[in-house]
Amino acid sequence: DAMVIQNPRYQVTQFGKPVTLSCSQTLNHNVMYWYQQKSSQAPKLLFHYYDKDFNNEADTPDNFQSRRPNTSFCFLDIRSPGLGDAAMYLCATSRYQSGGPLNEQFFGPGTRLTVL
Amino acid sequence: GQQLNQSPQSMFIQEGEDVSMNCTSSSIFNTWLWYKQEPGEGPVLLIALYKAGELTSNGRLTAQFGITRKDSFLNISASIPSDVGIYFCAGRTDSWGKLQFGAGTQVVVTP
Repeated sequence: DAMVIQNPRYQVTQFGKPVTLSCSQTLNHNVMYWYQQKSSQAPKLLFHYYDKDFNNEADTPDNFQSRRPNTSFCFLDIRSPGLGDAAMYLCATSRYQSGGPLNEQFFGPGTRLTVL
Repeated sequence: GQQLNQSPQSMFIQEGEDVSMNCTSSSIFNTWLWYKQEPGEGPVLLIALYKAGELTSNGRLTAQFGITRKDSFLNISASIPSDVGIYFCAGRTDSWGKLQFGAGTQVVVTP
């Protein structure tokens, strides 16, 4: 089945130790998104890729970076995790066509990050 | 930025009852989406609405895109225990797909 896959599902890191979360998709969607979701809150968009074009949200800290080496994969790098970065990180994808129908975002299952 | 007001914040209902929740905004959206999120999982898309006045059903779920384009509601009929979760509305104005989320409605269904 076509889907959005996130690995690992649970990640534990130490304060200040870089960590990378991964997302892959078999939907062949051209847009990929990274969201941060804290407990009892709505997902908060960090950034997105439209093909290879990276689009950062204005309030996303510099501590968060992303890479998209190809259509299928996208990575979230947290350079120096702080205790406040503990959250669920959600990857989502959609297909955007200029002038075409607007398409829904499909989410992966998320990675729960714990910072010790 | 645009603010989405989702209500109620939580609902405790008995199995078999109907559930209704809504989202309102001071701004116009051109798409409304409803997602369900279960603990430890990502949001799952339930219903997408693209036109003002549109009424769409998905099984026991029914959602409507308000005629003013500033609101949407979701109804769940004859609730069952597996309806438990957090339901999020999301509105979209940008053509590339940035979503504005509501705060969520937590639904608890008791037997």
